[in-house]
Amino acid sequence: EAGVAQSPRYKIIEKRQSVAFWCNPISGHATLYWYQQILGQGPKLLIQFQNNGVVDDSQLPKDRFSAERLKGVDSTLKIQPAKLEDSAVYLCASSLRPQGTEAFFGQGTRLTVV
Amino acid sequence: AQSVTQLDSQVPVFEEAPVELRCNYSSSVSVYLFWYVQYPNQGLQLLLKYLSGSTLVESINGFEAEFNKSQTSFHLRKPSVHISDTAEYFCAVTRSQGNLIFGKGTKLSVKP
Repeated sequence: EAGVAQSPRYKIIEKRQSVAFWCNPISGHATLYWYQQILGQGPKLLIQFQNNGVVDDSQLPKDRFSAERLKGVDSTLKIQPAKLEDSAVYLCASSLRPQGTEAFFGQGTRLTVV
Repeated sequence: AQSVTQLDSQVPVFEEAPVELRCNYSSSVSVYLFWYVQYPNQGLQLLLKYLSGSTLVESINGFEAEFNKSQTSFHLRKPSVHISDTAEYFCAVTRSQGNLIFGKGTKLSVKP
């Protein structure tokens, strides 16, 4: 079975520019997560979707970050405008359902803001 | 609030030696516990998980972890490591919603 697909793999932008990341979860997985992994730290949840509804976005900086999962399948995460501290790897993960099931991770998008 | 502490940021070890990567969590309620591994330039992969039942869980490549509720720990062990085990290992906890709380990671470096 195909894994979680993310694009692009790498992105370099200047501060104050905007950027978007795309994620296609494993087919049939209802739950989708976006995590931010800053160098030297563990991944931190930004937003969790159940189908096309938001379950948890308490740690999403909503003044600059937005995410959507319109048809309950693939998802887009956007940053506008980007700051230097947004430099990180953005990981997308999916699972069949939220509780007690394995979350499968994509390879991530490495964002560098200069 | 839940949190995860991985006490060692880096663990160097020689090939065929035993290793233990430590993980402690804080939570006042029942949790699910996971170890994920991240090989260089790859995504996170589930290594093993504790959901319920036996407190000792094993992976297919020889790692094991034991859930200790009284010490709130979920340490990862392997009796004999290989060069190919070199990677970063993340301990994670979740309660009911499914969103994982990760530790900062432990870089395991296996030397010949």
